Amino acid sequence: EPEVTQTPSHQVTQMGQEVILRCVPISNHLYFYWYRQILGQKVEFLVSFYNNEISEKSEIFDDQFSVERPDGSNFTLKIRSTKLEDSAMYFCASQTSFSRDISYNEQFFGPGTRLTVL
Amino acid sequence: GESVGLHLPTLSVQEGDNSIINCAYSNSASDYFIWYKQESGKGPQFIIDIRSNMDKRQGQRVTVLLNKTVKHLSLQIAATQPGDSAVYFCAETAETGANNLFFGTGTRLTVIP
Repeated sequence: EPEVTQTPSHQVTQMGQEVILRCVPISNHLYFYWYRQILGQKVEFLVSFYNNEISEKSEIFDDQFSVERPDGSNFTLKIRSTKLEDSAMYFCASQTSFSRDISYNEQFFGPGTRLTVL
Repeated sequence: GESVGLHLPTLSVQEGDNSIINCAYSNSASDYFIWYKQESGKGPQFIIDIRSNMDKRQGQRVTVLLNKTVKHLSLQIAATQPGDSAVYFCAETAETGANNLFFGTGTRLTVIP
């Protein structure tokens, strides 16, 4: 069964350093998402991506964050200068299509990358 | 932004009993609701969904009920099994914008053997 994969599973970094979190979405999917989950809290939407550009982003997704799909396979989230409060689980999700006229198309989540900022 | 919350943070049930997990939402424009299951160390896993033009939908051992009048959503799990132990999140999408999910805070279900 196809699945979303994420690497690394755990990333430890020093405050102020840049990190890149990587995701490989399911191959025929067109919509891609990043979410984060601070320990013990709810999952929060960060950004959605379609057709090589950002569709939507939340208030959390400020100038320190960027996403790209460099090679048509990987989907990356970059944090330029990490802060302590960036410590969280980061989930990538992908979706086949999006239409409000038909049944919702499930978002498939990856296992997450745990980011720890020291 | 939208507010999706849960009534109870934890729920313990005996194996074989039915479980009911509740969720409240505040955005009247929400038109699609999803229940996710999250096991320890894993990403959210889709369980069942329901559109706002429905009030009930059944899956395998699970039923979702939607009461738009009071903005309430529930997940019923029949004959709860130890493998059902996890955190359950409700999520919704608003009518406007892209297909971004807004999650509630989660309920931890513990099944007692």
